[in-house]
Amino acid sequence: AQKITQTQPGMFVQEKEAVTLDCTYDTSDQSYGLFWYKQPSSGEMIFLIYQGSYDEQNATEGRYSLNFQKARKSANLVISASQLGDSAMYFCAMSSLDSNYQLIWGAGTKLIIKP
Amino acid sequence: EAGVTQSPTHLIKTRGQQVTLRCSPISGHTSVYWYQQALGLGLQFLLWYDEGEERNRGNFPPRFSGRQFPNYSSELNVNALELEDSALYLCASSLRIQETQYFGPGTRLLVL
Repeated sequence: AQKITQTQPGMFVQEKEAVTLDCTYDTSDQSYGLFWYKQPSSGEMIFLIYQGSYDEQNATEGRYSLNFQKARKSANLVISASQLGDSAMYFCAMSSLDSNYQLIWGAGTKLIIKP
Repeated sequence: EAGVTQSPTHLIKTRGQQVTLRCSPISGHTSVYWYQQALGLGLQFLLWYDEGEERNRGNFPPRFSGRQFPNYSSELNVNALELEDSALYLCASSLRIQETQYFGPGTRLLVL
């Protein structure tokens, strides 16, 4: 069965520090996609970064990078030089043929950046 | 390029009433997805439409229904509202199946 696990319900991080949000996944598919989304208190779900299972390089988008360790089935999000505006819920999600390409969501991590 | 739009932004209804939520996808996107997010919880998949057809449905009762129009916009209808239907309803669109989903700002529904 497809599953996404985010083990950190909440995190406090000092402004300007780097932060790593954990995500592990479970799938029997060989081809799958991993996504990270940010949800501020306004409610909108903002797409951050994508990693395909066959991508050899870790994905990067500005201050966001994805630490993809396929053998360990982990896809951690790294935010460099955190800013106050990074305070939000962060969700990890996966899609694959086995899920009919529906996104399987983790429970989320609430990140609070301290000034 | 305009993002996914949803209307209305907020809605207050009473138990037993019916509600219609609307979503316009990003131009060129043919797939539209609906999610429910109750307060403090994760996203629950509701419905997926692609090319005017319902492709998949989450574990929700039949009083949740919808449709997709020829211009790929979509409506979500909820009949016989219950208190537990109070939630943020998010719509997303993607260019094709398995492509990245981009979300709208959501509609906050409160059922009294």
